[in-house]
Amino acid sequence: GEQVEQRPPHLSVREGDSAIIICTYTDSATAYFSWYKQEAGAGLQLLMSVLSNVDRKEEQGLTVLLNKKDKRLSLNLTAAHPGDSAVYFCAVSANSGTYQRFGTGTKLQVVP
Amino acid sequence: AQTIHQWPVAEIKAVGSPLSLGCTIKGKSSPNLYWYWQATGGTLQQLFYSITVGQVESVVQLNLSASRPKDDQFILSTEKLLLSHSGFYLCAWSLEGGSSDYTFGSGTRLLVI
Repeated sequence: GEQVEQRPPHLSVREGDSAIIICTYTDSATAYFSWYKQEAGAGLQLLMSVLSNVDRKEEQGLTVLLNKKDKRLSLNLTAAHPGDSAVYFCAVSANSGTYQRFGTGTKLQVVP
Repeated sequence: AQTIHQWPVAEIKAVGSPLSLGCTIKGKSSPNLYWYWQATGGTLQQLFYSITVGQVESVVQLNLSASRPKDDQFILSTEKLLLSHSGFYLCAWSLEGGSSDYTFGSGTRLLVI
């Protein structure tokens, strides 16, 4: 079945710097790609999702890149601020959309 | 606007006791519904999904069961809790037909002792 690897598991950056999180997946039939943010003790907040026909998407200081050839998905937080400190998860799913596999998570700490 | 509500917020239960967790979605008809489990500090594991009332598909067996008695309600339960059931349970919904846009509830934290 689909395997999703996420790295790094922990990431510490200074306020104003960029933070990059990468996920790799194995199933070439994967069609949907999402990034979620989870603050301590809370549920997950969808940040951005892309379909497999999208290579790049930018919204509000976030950039998602999809490299289908290398089966790699990345999230770039430009100019991170302390409010971005949380755990970030990637998630992938096939065309049916009824099953979403999550990455292992990245705990991001943004230091003032 | 759609809202998703999970109850209870937290539970402490004894091994061997029964459990029932609930999830209600308002403002959206015929959503796809999902239950996820998250170990402390871990990733999310999908447990069940449902695309319509009365139909529930199991993704992974953890001695849990799920039911969808109404279009807007999803219930997770077991008759006998195990220590390994401890964790964070999250309910989510998406549009019918499948979508990458899942909306999650605020979760239920369960401690089995």
